[in-house]
Amino acid sequence: NAGVTQTPKFQVLKTGQSMTLQCAQDMNHEYMSWYRQDPGMGLRLIHYSVGAGITDQGEVPNGYNVSRSTTEDFPLRLLSAAPSQTSVYFCASSYSALTSGGQETQYFGPGTRLLVL
Amino acid sequence: GEDVEQSLFLSVREGDSSVINCTYTDSSSTYLYWYKQEPGAGLQLLTYIFSNMDMKQDQRLTVLLNKKDKHLSLRIADTQTGDSAIYFCADLNYGGSQGNLIFGKGTKLSVKP
Repeated sequence: NAGVTQTPKFQVLKTGQSMTLQCAQDMNHEYMSWYRQDPGMGLRLIHYSVGAGITDQGEVPNGYNVSRSTTEDFPLRLLSAAPSQTSVYFCASSYSALTSGGQETQYFGPGTRLLVL
Repeated sequence: GEDVEQSLFLSVREGDSSVINCTYTDSSSTYLYWYKQEPGAGLQLLTYIFSNMDMKQDQRLTVLLNKKDKHLSLRIADTQTGDSAIYFCADLNYGGSQGNLIFGKGTKLSVKP
C-alpha cells in the first residue's frame, strides 16, 4: 500500500490563481480530512469527509472547497489564492470516523507546501 | 471552542528522560493522542490514551493523564537524537457532527548529544 499520497509537494501561486491539491489513499478508508499547519499554530482542520459524497466544514473552511466523488480521492480546491493561504497542507485518513474511538489511527500524507505571492 | 495547549520547546541531553506536557479544556474528552512530526514529514501517531485510564506505557513511552486537572504528559525514557521532532498533543472533540481532532501547537524536542 502507498498509504496517503499528496501532490504536488511544493507549489507557488500568484494571488487570485486557483489550484487543486490532490490527496489519495489506497487503504479503503472512509474518513478523510484536510489540515493546514502554520508556524506556532499547530494543525487546524479545514474540511473533512466521512464517506463518498459526504463532506463537512472544519475549523477554517473559508477559501477552500472539497468534494468526495470516490472513496480514494479527496481533493482540496483553492478558488482564488490569497497570501494568507501560504501554509503546509496535510491530508489524513482513517478507516472510519474518529467517533469510533482511539483505536482509529489517522494516517497523514507527507504534506504540500504552498506559497502564495 | 475547545483548546489544547503545549509548551513550544524542550531541550534535553541524550540519555535523559523527556517530559512533554499538554493541557486541554474539553470536559467531555474521551481520547487523547500524541503525534510525532519529523522535519519535512507528516504526522505519525505515537500513542493514545482513553480518558478512563491514568497511565499507559508503550516501550520507552509513558503517557500520564490527570483528568481532574485536564493535564496530559508524554515521557520518553532514554531520549535519543532520533527522538528530535515536534510532538503534538491532540484531543478527540465531539463538537461537530463527527469527532475531529483538536491539535496543540506542538512542542519541539531538541536532543543534544
